[in-house]
Amino acid sequence: DQQVKQNSPSLSVQEGRISILNCDYTNSMFDYFLWYKKYPAEGPTFLISISSIKDKNEDGRFTVFLNKSAKHLSLHIVPSQPGDSAVYFCAASDGGGATNKLIFGTGTLLAVQP
Amino acid sequence: ETGVTQSPTHLIKTRGQQVTLRCSSQSGHNTVSWYQQALGQGPQFIFQYYREEENGRGNFPPRFSGLQFPNYSSELNVNALELDDSALYLCASSPGGVAGNTIYFGEGSWLTVV
Repeated sequence: DQQVKQNSPSLSVQEGRISILNCDYTNSMFDYFLWYKKYPAEGPTFLISISSIKDKNEDGRFTVFLNKSAKHLSLHIVPSQPGDSAVYFCAASDGGGATNKLIFGTGTLLAVQP
Repeated sequence: ETGVTQSPTHLIKTRGQQVTLRCSSQSGHNTVSWYQQALGQGPQFIFQYYREEENGRGNFPPRFSGLQFPNYSSELNVNALELDDSALYLCASSPGGVAGNTIYFGEGSWLTVV
């Protein structure tokens, strides 16, 4: 049972254009969402997060949007750069007690073409 | 550079053997989590340690066990290795047990079971 889904295994975008990565979740108890970027042979690197009490969080070129009614979040990268090429993971936490257990999606491979 | 270091980076074991993976958490972080990432999948939560006590466990059998030491470093032990245990094992540290704190990952230990 996949509670966090990234239905697009890959995405190709031209440099300078917008990249939109999507993520859906099924568990309404999730109250915190994170995006991680992963290069080959490296661990995931934290990118941006959003609490369920917000619908948007922005950090430089990266913006995360949360639509709680649709149980959907998206990561926008504007403008996209070749260095953004990596696997992007969406993750969610249910804030249960003191556990920081994250539920990850399967990832989307973003390729930014020069 | 997340300040989370893991060792060894790569290792090969034979089915039935035992393995110990090590993790040094970022300074000031008292919570360590372990994740297994199989090829083509997102990381799967194994368990978490908070101030030397197990604080949450995912759907992994008892042959996956762990320890956290007074300096908050941690070990993951896997007994009776199976071929399906071949994966990237990620350690993540965070500053507290409260969900919402940002979690930082190490580069992982690649385990191959033959």
